[in-house]
Amino acid sequence: DGGITQSPKYLFRKEGQNVTLSCEQNLNHDAMYWYRQDPGQGLRLIYYSQIVNDFQKGDIAEGYSVSREKKESFPLTVTSAQKNPTAFYLCASSSPGTGRHYGYTFGSGTRLTVV
Amino acid sequence: GQQVMQIPQYQHVQEGEDFTTYCNSSTTLSNIQWYKQRPGGHPVFLIQLVKSGEVKKQKRLTFQFGEAKKNSSLHITATQTTDVGTYFCAHNTGTASKLTFGTGTRLQVTL
Repeated sequence: DGGITQSPKYLFRKEGQNVTLSCEQNLNHDAMYWYRQDPGQGLRLIYYSQIVNDFQKGDIAEGYSVSREKKESFPLTVTSAQKNPTAFYLCASSSPGTGRHYGYTFGSGTRLTVV
Repeated sequence: GQQVMQIPQYQHVQEGEDFTTYCNSSTTLSNIQWYKQRPGGHPVFLIQLVKSGEVKKQKRLTFQFGEAKKNSSLHITATQTTDVGTYFCAHNTGTASKLTFGTGTRLQVTL
């Protein structure tokens, strides 16, 4: 079955360390996204990529970095520069098509805790 | 991106009661999408509305897009405990595929 796989499900990080969250999709979707969700809050866009080897900053990109070397993969690195990284991180993908927008498919998320 | 406000933030109903959440924007929206997130889970796409005044139904769920394309609503008839979760509206800005999500409405249903 097609879908999005995020790993790990839970991640603990010491302050000052970088950590990379994995996101892989086999839906053949062109676009991929990273969102952050804090407890009881909505989703805020970190980075997105509409095509391989290209990505754009979202609303809260500071302290994060991404790469899009393959269509299937869009890893997110949470750097030590991110001041409050403890959150629920959600990866999503969609297949926009020309001039049309489609619903997202989300992964099951990674819960990152800084200890 | 511009954020849309959802009301109420939280609603607690008894099973069998109806429920409505509203999504409001100060500017015209190109589209509205609705998602459901169960507690501890991830958002799941429900539907997209594009046309002014559009109404769509999915079993007990009715979705509306306002005539001015500045607001939308999700109505659940005769709620069930399986409806528990947070409902988000979201919209695209311009031609980009990225979505801006609303603040969400958390629904609690008790027997």
